[in-house]
Amino acid sequence: AQSVSQHNHHVILSEAASLELGCNYSYGGTVNLFWYVQYPGQHLQLLLKYFSGDPLVKGIKGFEAEFIKSKFSFNLRKPSVQWSDTAEYFCAVNEGNTDKLIFGTGTRLQVFP
Amino acid sequence: NAGVTQTPKFQVLKTGQSMTLQCAQDMNHNSMYWYRQDPGMGLRLIYYSASEGTTDKGEVPNGYNVSRLNKREFSLRLESAAPSQTSVYFCASTLEDTEAFFGQGTRLTVV
Repeated sequence: AQSVSQHNHHVILSEAASLELGCNYSYGGTVNLFWYVQYPGQHLQLLLKYFSGDPLVKGIKGFEAEFIKSKFSFNLRKPSVQWSDTAEYFCAVNEGNTDKLIFGTGTRLQVFP
Repeated sequence: NAGVTQTPKFQVLKTGQSMTLQCAQDMNHNSMYWYRQDPGMGLRLIYYSASEGTTDKGEVPNGYNVSRLNKREFSLRLESAAPSQTSVYFCASTLEDTEAFFGQGTRLTVV
């Protein structure tokens, strides 16, 4: 069964620091990859997605992610975080030929001014 | 468009009671999902439905049943609620090769 691993459970940064959140998945075939963000008390919103093409994907609010097929990874990055980025971040994967959408356990990001 | 609508937003049940969580989407999406969200465990897939009339088990289906009533609606039923089912439940829907859209969530407490 496919699985998604997010090894950073809780990240604490100061404003303007750079961010990288790890995401690894287990499925070996074609995959669609997503990063979602959940602000306190809200539902999940899409940050960015990868289906095919350029493995470096740019999303909203200055976030980007790079798909590295050989490492089964889809890490999320942002060069300079802001206090408003404080939220929980989820990586998600679905196999290219199914509708099953699996999420990682999430990374809680706290950004201090 | 309302997107994905879940009802109720909050519910308290006694152990052993039953209830149905309702979900409807107005985006003509084919696939619908039910997840539960627990601290430190992320979102875990309970059941999903790739199309009207089909349902499949996810990661944590035990204690739940689902019905894909039509293309718009996908309900989740707890036949005999247990304290371990205290959680926040999210419904989501997708169209092929698009991202998932989520409802606002249902906070369920089983006492």
